[in-house]
Amino acid sequence: EPEVTQTPSHQVTQMGQEVILRCVPISNHLYFYWYRQILGQKVEFLVSFYNNEISEKSEIFDDQFSVERPDGSNFTLKIRSTKLEDSAMYFCASRRDRPGNSPLHFGNGTRLTVT
Amino acid sequence: EDKVVQSPLSLVVHEGDTVTLNCSYEVTNFRSLLWYKQEKKAPTFLFMLTSSGIEKKSGRLSSILDKKELFSILNITATQTGDSAIYLCAGGGGADGLTFGKGTHLIIQP
Repeated sequence: EPEVTQTPSHQVTQMGQEVILRCVPISNHLYFYWYRQILGQKVEFLVSFYNNEISEKSEIFDDQFSVERPDGSNFTLKIRSTKLEDSAMYFCASRRDRPGNSPLHFGNGTRLTVT
Repeated sequence: EDKVVQSPLSLVVHEGDTVTLNCSYEVTNFRSLLWYKQEKKAPTFLFMLTSSGIEKKSGRLSSILDKKELFSILNITATQTGDSAIYLCAGGGGADGLTFGKGTHLIIQP
C-alpha cells in the first residue's frame, strides 16, 4: 500500500540554525499538509498546500516557516532560525481529494530536537 | 475556535474486554470526523465518518457519528494487547486543517 515517507526520522540542530524536513506524499494525492506534535500534546495543524500554493495556515505557521514543492514528488518544510520550542514531531500528510471527501494519510514523522 | 474533546484520556482494561472511546466536537461547518490509531509514530487511519447513524466497521473496531449531539464513539470488542495505542479523534470542517483531540491512551493488559 502506498505511503507517505519522511526524512530524516530524527534531526538534531542548534538553536538559530535552519532545518529542512522532507516528505514524499502518496503519488496520486493532490493535497499536502504539515502537522506537528509537541511531546505529550495534541497533533496541531500547521499548513495545507494545494495546486502549488499554500491554501491555509495556522497561527503557528509564522514567517519562520515556509513550504515548497520543488519537483513533482517532494514536499518540504523549512524552519529558519530554529527555537527551543520548535522541538516536536513533525508529520507530513496527504490526501487524494478535497477535505471531507477523503481521509488524511500521515507519514512516520521527523523528530526535531533543537538544542 | 474549533474544539475536539476525547474521553477518557486513559483507560486500562484486560484482554478480551470491550471498550468504548468517546469524542465530542465543536467544528465550524463540520464535514467529517476521523479516528486514528497512534502507536509509536504516525497516526494510522481507522475511520472517516460523515453521515449520522451509519456504523462503520473494520474487524473488531466500529464507529458511529451523531451529528445532532456532536459526538462519535469508537468501539473495540474482544481487545488484544496489540490494540494498545493512543486513539485520536479529529474533526474536519470549513477550515482545511483537522482539529485533533488529546487522544485516549488505551492499555490492554494480558
